[in-house]
Amino acid sequence: DVKVTQSSRYLVKRTGEKVFLECVQDMDHENMFWYRQDPGLGLRLIYFSYDVKMKEKGDIPEGYSVSREKKERFSLILESASTNQTSMYLCASSLRTGAGQNTEAFFGQGTRLTVV
Amino acid sequence: AQKVTQAQTEISVVEKEDVTLDCVYETRDTTYYLFWYKQPPSGELVFLIRRNSFDEQNEISGRYSWNFQKSTSSFNFTITASQVVDSAVYFCALSESGNFGNEKLTFGTGTRLTIIP
Repeated sequence: DVKVTQSSRYLVKRTGEKVFLECVQDMDHENMFWYRQDPGLGLRLIYFSYDVKMKEKGDIPEGYSVSREKKERFSLILESASTNQTSMYLCASSLRTGAGQNTEAFFGQGTRLTVV
Repeated sequence: AQKVTQAQTEISVVEKEDVTLDCVYETRDTTYYLFWYKQPPSGELVFLIRRNSFDEQNEISGRYSWNFQKSTSSFNFTITASQVVDSAVYFCALSESGNFGNEKLTFGTGTRLTIIP
């Protein structure tokens, strides 16, 4: 079974702190994603990576950065946490099959981050 | 730009009733993929189905069925004989053709389904 593991289920941080959210997948997937989920807004893409050291901005990258030094690990970084970054953060990965065959994404259990 | 609309924010039905969740999408691509995910109270999104734009056949999997209509840009999801375990938030999602950077999913805002025993 594909497994996407996020390092924390719940996290409470103070305003201005630097926050690291870690995600690891064990199925050798090329693509990895970070989404945030807010009530009434669904899931919104923050950043996307299709290979080691490669990253693409999603729809709401402001205030975030990412790191992908190894294929299995994709980290989301909040440089200076703010209260409006309180949210559920979901990591996902998917396989690239080639020939334009988009595959389904597999999600981690989510990290509920509260910034106080 | 691609967009997914799930107009039904919340639906409640009594157990054993049938229920249909609507999904309307927008895309300029001729090749794209549609997905449905279930998010139970535990929080983890569970993949249900993937459909590409060239395959308009309806699909049935047990009590679940999907109706894909390109003419109306819709990909609706029906649960037959609903059960309490079907209570969850359901998301419809879209991704465009699989070039680098296009494999990201665009999600709708979700429909919260409550099955009343």
